[in-house]
Amino acid sequence: GQQVMQIPQYQHVQEGEDFTTYCNSSTTLSNIQWYKQRPGGHPVFLIQLVKSGEVKKQKRLTFQFGEAKKNSSLHITATQTTDVGTYFCAGETAGGSYIPTFGRGTSLIVHP
Amino acid sequence: EAGVTQFPSHSVIEKGQTVTLRCDPISGHDNLYWYRRVMGKEIKFLLHFVKESKQDESGMPNNRFLAERTGGTYSTLKVQPAELEDSGVYFCASSTRTSGAYNEQFFGPGTRLTVL
Repeated sequence: GQQVMQIPQYQHVQEGEDFTTYCNSSTTLSNIQWYKQRPGGHPVFLIQLVKSGEVKKQKRLTFQFGEAKKNSSLHITATQTTDVGTYFCAGETAGGSYIPTFGRGTSLIVHP
Repeated sequence: EAGVTQFPSHSVIEKGQTVTLRCDPISGHDNLYWYRRVMGKEIKFLLHFVKESKQDESGMPNNRFLAERTGGTYSTLKVQPAELEDSGVYFCASSTRTSGAYNEQFFGPGTRLTVL
């Protein structure tokens, strides 16, 4: 079955440093979604990427979808303590039943 | 607009007992999903309803799990009898998706199930 690998599992950064998490799928995706889960909270939708090579920005967050639609990344510039949480990617396969396969998530810890 | 709600927030039961989790999706959302996350692992899909119909239940672990969505509104997930490996956080999510690619899912706060 489809697998979505996400690395790293944990990332410690000093406030102000950059952060990147990567997702790789074993199959070609129709789209990829990103979610953020704050400690003690629930996943909250951030964005969905659909087009090959797509790049989208949300303030300090930059999301990329690979040309082959099998990988994606989330980059945060100049992290802040409010960025703390676990970031999940979730990929859907082409022609699938709208069921996203989630990665294990990357937990970001920001040290002030 | 009220978000997705789940009840209870926590449940501690002994192996062999029965537990029923409830999810109330956002009003008007036809799509309802159940997921489970075990600590440190991925959010694993369990099943998907479209209105009252089970669209995909390929993620249900075994026949100890039974999900229903009578009337296409709220949903329940019953685990009977519970086993130790059923422990985890059970999330419910809903969306309005009917066709096409866009699928923003709204997650509930989750139910933390501990089986002793």
